[in-house]
Amino acid sequence: GQQVMQIPQYQHVQEGEDFTTYCNSSTTLSNIQWYKQRPGGHPVFLIQLVKSGEVKKQKRLTFQFGEAKKNSSLHITATQTTDVGTYFCAGPANSGYALNFGKGTSLLVTP
Amino acid sequence: ETGVTQSPTHLIKTRGQQVTLRCSSQSGHNTVSWYQQALGQGPQFIFQYYREEENGRGNFPPRFSGLQFPNYSSELNVNALELDDSALYLCASSSRNEQFFGPGTRLTVL
Repeated sequence: GQQVMQIPQYQHVQEGEDFTTYCNSSTTLSNIQWYKQRPGGHPVFLIQLVKSGEVKKQKRLTFQFGEAKKNSSLHITATQTTDVGTYFCAGPANSGYALNFGKGTSLLVTP
Repeated sequence: ETGVTQSPTHLIKTRGQQVTLRCSSQSGHNTVSWYQQALGQGPQFIFQYYREEENGRGNFPPRFSGLQFPNYSSELNVNALELDDSALYLCASSSRNEQFFGPGTRLTVL
């Protein structure tokens, strides 16, 4: 079945440094979603990418969907301590709106 | 806040027991999905309900079962609990492709 893999598993940066997490799927995706989970919290939807080669920005966050629709990335410019959390990518599962999540990248930002 | 609520917040059970977790979906959302999130892992899809019918299932054994009610709230039942069932259980109601997650129920099996 479809597998979604993310790297790195962990990233520790100094505040102000950039951060990137990468997501790869074993199959072509109709769309990819990104979620953020703060420590002790639940996943919160960030964005959905649908088109091949799509790039979307949300303030300091830049999301890309690969041309083959099998990979994606999330880049954060000039990290802040509020960016701390685990970032998950997720592709559609076989059932309705269900999702296959990657294992996530945990970001730690130190001041 | 997403408007998705779950109860209880925390639960401790012993191996072999049964547990029922509850979820109230966001108003207007008729699809509810359940996920299991083990520590340090991503959420794993258990099953999904659409208009009171199971609408897909992940790789979980039959002792994981569920219900959806006419008001679209949902229950997750787990029988014969095992130690590995200890996890955060998340429900998510859906609007198109976006999933709105509840705060989760932390289940500990001793």
